[in-house]
Amino acid sequence: EAGVAQSPRYKIIEKRQSVAFWCNPISGHATLYWYQQILGQGPKLLIQFQNNGVVDDSQLPKDRFSAERLKGVDSTLKIQPAKLEDSAVYLCASSFGKFMGGSAHTTEAFFGQGTRLTVV
Amino acid sequence: KQEVTQIPAALSVPEGENLVLNCSFTDSAIYNLQWFRQDPGKGLTSLLLIQSSQREQTSGRLNASLDKSSGRSTLYIAASQPGDSATYLCAVNFSWGKLQFGAGTQVVVTP
Repeated sequence: EAGVAQSPRYKIIEKRQSVAFWCNPISGHATLYWYQQILGQGPKLLIQFQNNGVVDDSQLPKDRFSAERLKGVDSTLKIQPAKLEDSAVYLCASSFGKFMGGSAHTTEAFFGQGTRLTVV
Repeated sequence: KQEVTQIPAALSVPEGENLVLNCSFTDSAIYNLQWFRQDPGKGLTSLLLIQSSQREQTSGRLNASLDKSSGRSTLYIAASQPGDSATYLCAVNFSWGKLQFGAGTQVVVTP
């Protein structure tokens, strides 16, 4: 089974520039996550999709970050304009979990290799 | 506020010793808890998933326990090897599908 694919693996940009990351989840996984991991810290959830709808984006800095999940499969995360403090690893994850009415079925989350962003 | 804490932040043991990694969380109403391993410069590798109805989960040399009432999970790694050196992260599913992570425990196993 193919894992979660992310690209690019590394990106170096100057502050105020824009950047985009791409994620292809495991086939059939309805839930997709974007996490930000700053060096020495645990990953922080930026946004969670269920199919192509947003479930949680409470920690997404919406003045500069945006994300979309077209047709409930691939997803892109964009930063515009970037700041020095955006330097981090951006991780994409997916899981099979589905929310149906009052019943939640959560399953194991699988992560991609991440994109290391350096803003200079 | 729902929080996940991992103590210690770093741990060094000689090869062959058993590893004990701790994770505590502030809210007992969880869906599940997942342990991950992260190697330098790499993504996260899932080790074990414990559903809220389970008390423990085992895979090879790894065993994870869950005590919701006390808000604790422990990951045991038996007979540690240098290849076990990595950062171990605990993630708690407090609300449906939303994984909240601890800061991790960095483990070094010396030959």
